[in-house]
Amino acid sequence: RKEVEQDPGPFNVPEGATVAFNCTYSNSASQSFFWYRQDCRKEPKLLMSVYSSGNEDGRFTAQLNRASQYISLLIRDSKLSDSATYLCVVNGLTGGGNKLTFGTGTQLKVEL
Amino acid sequence: DTAVSQTPKYLVTQMGNDKSIKCEQNLGHDTMYWYKQDSKKFLKIMFSYNNKELIINETVPNRFSPKSPDKAHLNLHINSLELGDSAVYFCASSQEDVYLVSTEAFFGQGTRLTVV
Repeated sequence: RKEVEQDPGPFNVPEGATVAFNCTYSNSASQSFFWYRQDCRKEPKLLMSVYSSGNEDGRFTAQLNRASQYISLLIRDSKLSDSATYLCVVNGLTGGGNKLTFGTGTQLKVEL
Repeated sequence: DTAVSQTPKYLVTQMGNDKSIKCEQNLGHDTMYWYKQDSKKFLKIMFSYNNKELIINETVPNRFSPKSPDKAHLNLHINSLELGDSAVYFCASSQEDVYLVSTEAFFGQGTRLTVV
């Protein structure tokens, strides 16, 4: 089983749609969780951290379910500029150091 | 000022050559990483350094040798390059919180390595 699993997509949605991405992780001792965004031929950038209580940043809502080892990202009112690959990232302390493990990414295409 | 900078941005070289990629961060972070992103876009950790010390080596071939002269720099040297080494290599840095857990990682713009 992969350490972090995501549906690779692509998700093709019309502008204004609501879209949800899911992610599961295998290491129950994982410490922190993030969603990153990567545009084509660019570096990944932090979109938002994911907290146990759930958190919202504008049109984006992230949730964490530690019992099910499951993370989600909800994007409301999709914009063309949301088109990108969304990476689920899990951090765990291993061998004395932090290890940020990335999922394979979910590709989102928002269309007119 | 760029927070994490890596050079070169593009590197085309022949099989068997030795090449280096340099990375510098001006964020004062303690931890630096090298990631490899292959043609399938999967980002896989290669190495992690904390205050110049190697912490994580994810079974990377020993042709890859990272070097950290100080905590702001983490360079990657690759010997005897192979076709399969073609990928985008990203350097990143992060800082630990009081629980020694990394917060946000900042990435360099990537080095697109093509071995011919």
